Amino acid sequence: GQNIDQPTEMTATEGAIVQINCTYQTSGFNGLFWYQQHAGEAPTFLSYNVLDGLEEKGRFSSFLSRSKGYSYLLLKELQMKDSASYLCAVRDLTGANNLFFGTGTRLTVIP
Amino acid sequence: EPEVTQTPSHQVTQMGQEVILRCVPISNHLYFYWYRQILGQKVEFLVSFYNNEISEKSEIFDDQFSVERPDGSNFTLKIRSTKLEDSAMYFCASSVGGGKNIQYFGAGTRLSVL
Repeated sequence: GQNIDQPTEMTATEGAIVQINCTYQTSGFNGLFWYQQHAGEAPTFLSYNVLDGLEEKGRFSSFLSRSKGYSYLLLKELQMKDSASYLCAVRDLTGANNLFFGTGTRLTVIP
Repeated sequence: EPEVTQTPSHQVTQMGQEVILRCVPISNHLYFYWYRQILGQKVEFLVSFYNNEISEKSEIFDDQFSVERPDGSNFTLKIRSTKLEDSAMYFCASSVGGGKNIQYFGAGTRLSVL
């Protein structure tokens, strides 16, 4: 089975840096994805990690440690529009590429 | 930029009725998926589809559900006899395949069963 844990809610200040953690336990591992989801909208792809280390893409970075079953999403220079839910999703080896999502972390950016 | 298109955006139906949710995946994609998200809960996998057949389905995807790719562009999810607990947002996604195989999601259909 799959178990994916994320904090439910976080609050951060505009211009700051925030780190959203995700831990997972899966029967196999074939990649970890981060998606952004604004209320009532579709999840939007942010990042993908399959090897250990940091992937950087503009203001967003994602880190993976497979041995620890741990990932984080780092958002820098926060903007008000970054207020959204951030979904951690794992693809396991037993699935036909389907994703298993955590409950998501609702981030609120305040002025 | 290509996107996954879903119709309708909102579907209201009576319990026991059949509904068909429609999706047009990105044109060069080969893998198609349906997920659902009950209000306030996590996104849950329903079914994946490749090469005109189901690749995998979850426990949620019981005999009341079916998927079809009736032509070269559409991908549909049918719920034969809707229940109150089927009320959710249903997302279609597609991916091209390969190593990353990133899934791109449509805007969703909100299904309300009364």
